[in-house]
Amino acid sequence: NAGVTQTPKFRVLKTGQSMTLLCAQDMNHEYMYWYRQDPGMGLRLIHYSVGEGTTAKGEVPDGYNVSRLKKQNFLLGLESAAPSQTSVYFCASSNRGTNTEAFFGQGTRLTVV
Amino acid sequence: GESVGLHLPTLSVQEGDNSIINCAYSNSASDYFIWYKQESGKGPQFIIDIRSNMDKRQGQRVTVLLNKTVKHLSLQIAATQPGDSAVYFCAENMVTTDSWGKLQFGAGTQVVVTP
Repeated sequence: NAGVTQTPKFRVLKTGQSMTLLCAQDMNHEYMYWYRQDPGMGLRLIHYSVGEGTTAKGEVPDGYNVSRLKKQNFLLGLESAAPSQTSVYFCASSNRGTNTEAFFGQGTRLTVV
Repeated sequence: GESVGLHLPTLSVQEGDNSIINCAYSNSASDYFIWYKQESGKGPQFIIDIRSNMDKRQGQRVTVLLNKTVKHLSLQIAATQPGDSAVYFCAENMVTTDSWGKLQFGAGTQVVVTP
């Protein structure tokens, strides 16, 4: 059982480039999330989705877009990367009604130069 | 412990001793309080949660205590082992207007287990 899988694991972008982070879960979870983790700041919610075809803004959505075309996938896009988006990005998923227990992927370390 | 600046508070514990990790939370309307463990290079992993109408909950080697009067949450780990070395995050589950609970994470506490 793979759980939550993120690709890629590492990426270096130049300022202004775009990219998409992929997240896939095989647990049939309704809820999916994208977080970023910066030193000393814990995890901050970027965007989330409560079901296929729906997305919503989290705490720090600016500069990111997301899509949930299929229940098992949640994509995070950076249209024009900035150095401030250098971070470790985590995708997570959880079941409806038990969403205190979120399952996290291994993370994507993104560096924008 | 909540972090100050870029450095996480660190708790150094001798192997076999009990650990107590503290957290101050902000929202008295939160429905659940949760503890996550993050090992180096990995994503956070759920440990235990406690509903806001409880003051204590026990799991395997862990106990979470909730003091709503002072908005304080703690995680006790019994007989700390080397594998317990990690960053521990407390989180609040705040129910939003669409009934979905958003997890709000604290900054974390680094636990270092020494032999």
